[in-house]
Amino acid sequence: QSVLTQPPSVSGAPGQRVTISCTGSNSNIGAGSDVHWYQQFPGTAPKLLIYGNNNRPSGVPDRFSGSKSGNSASLAITGLQAEDEADYFCLSFDSNMSGWGVFGGGTKLTVL
Amino acid sequence: QAQLVQSGAEVKKPGASVKVSCKASGYSFTSYAIHWMRQAPGQGLEWMGWINPANGNTKFSQNLQGRVTFTRDTSATTAYMELTRLMSDDTAVYYCARYDYVWGCYRPWGQGTLITVSS
Repeated sequence: QSVLTQPPSVSGAPGQRVTISCTGSNSNIGAGSDVHWYQQFPGTAPKLLIYGNNNRPSGVPDRFSGSKSGNSASLAITGLQAEDEADYFCLSFDSNMSGWGVFGGGTKLTVL
Repeated sequence: QAQLVQSGAEVKKPGASVKVSCKASGYSFTSYAIHWMRQAPGQGLEWMGWINPANGNTKFSQNLQGRVTFTRDTSATTAYMELTRLMSDDTAVYYCARYDYVWGCYRPWGQGTLITVSS
């Protein structure tokens, strides 16, 4: 039921690269709205990983990167580490929602 | 740095009301809107609305209009979300977040408040 669509789960072995997709529509991502990515551990506040499609806040490792094309965006994590096991969700803004936040349903990353 | 700290978990009966607080620190409280979101078990995040702490203006999701109220106390740098006529479907973790108009996203977020509605 989320406005943005993410896969429920992805997995990878330590050292591997994984990507998480976030698909929207012509009223949000496709309309040019930026995509932001968050990491969340159980019981804690979401942490900003990527803002403005492909920018990393200070302190976020360069193993995390973002991209956007058309109606979709992706989060890539390279050199996977055990500590990356968490939930990840995307955020964008939608003209049909008076311009306010719409979210992906979240993706659980499992490090094998 | 900017931080938001929310009040603790609560259990409520159907038909009751709940008020969640969101204490801001580390920045000018009246310079940034506070948005409220919630996440039901196993579901994605749902945007609920926002308040402008500078003047108290608010906007709500149509899904919640009539049941939700946002207020703020500027002297206490605290925002509040009150939800009335609670139903079991309102069981969720409720989050406040600052809208960073420079980066165009929500940061930081509060730690979340679990509201359980059960008879």
